Amino acid sequence: DAKTTQPNSMESNEEEPVHLPCNHSTISGTDYIHWYRQLPSQGPEYVIHGLTSNVNNRMASLAIAEDRKSSTLILHRATLRDAAVYYCILRDWNFGNEKLTFGTGTRLTIIP
Amino acid sequence: DAGVTQSPTHLIKTRGQQVTLRCSPKSGHDTVSWYQQALGQGPQFIFQYYEEEERQRGNFPDRFSGHQFPNYSSELNVNALLLGDSALYLCASGPPSGKPIETQYFGPGTRLLVL
Repeated sequence: DAKTTQPNSMESNEEEPVHLPCNHSTISGTDYIHWYRQLPSQGPEYVIHGLTSNVNNRMASLAIAEDRKSSTLILHRATLRDAAVYYCILRDWNFGNEKLTFGTGTRLTIIP
Repeated sequence: DAGVTQSPTHLIKTRGQQVTLRCSPKSGHDTVSWYQQALGQGPQFIFQYYEEEERQRGNFPDRFSGHQFPNYSSELNVNALLLGDSALYLCASGPPSGKPIETQYFGPGTRLLVL
C-alpha cells in the first residue's frame, strides 16, 4: 500500500477555515485519495475522496496537487464538532472493498 | 437505516480467556471487515469476510478468527487473550463487491480491556 504522511496535530480557531495537508509522493496512477475522520469515542467516518480534480461535498473540499503527490483537506468553517483525528488514505481504484490502511492521522483541535 | 452496529460496547476479560465480538452491517452491505485500534494509533486491518468466507487477512495471529453468517452479520473471536489485545475493535461494512471505490461504514466499536 502506498504511504501517506500527515502532521501529527494541528490547531485552528472556531469558524475559521482549516487546511489539513497530506503527502503521498509514491501515489500510483490508479490510487484514489480518501479522507476519513474519527470523532472522539466513535468509529471512523468517510469525509471525501478524489482522483485528480478538486472535489467538494457538504462536509469538506479536497484540493489535489497537479502532480498528485500531495493533497489538502479543507474545512471551510471549522466548528467544535470538527475536532477529530483526520486520516488520509490511498485506495487503488481496482479494488472496491479492499482494506483501508490507516496511518496515525492528524489530530485537529478546534479552539473556541 | 441503523448503520453498522456492534455489541457489546465494552468488555473486560482476563488473560487466557476467549472473547466473541459481534457486528451487524449496514443494510444492503455484504462485506464486513474488522479492525483493531490500540490507544493513540490508527485502526489496523484484521480481516474481511465476504460470502461467509475470509477474503483478506492482515498481520494478525491465528488466535484471531471470524465468521460471517448468511444474513451478513459477523463475529470476531479472539482466543488466549493477551494484555496487548486490549484495544477498540471496529467493524466496517461495504456494499456488494465489484463496485470500485466504495465508502466503508464503521460501527462505534467494542472497547476490550484484558486484565
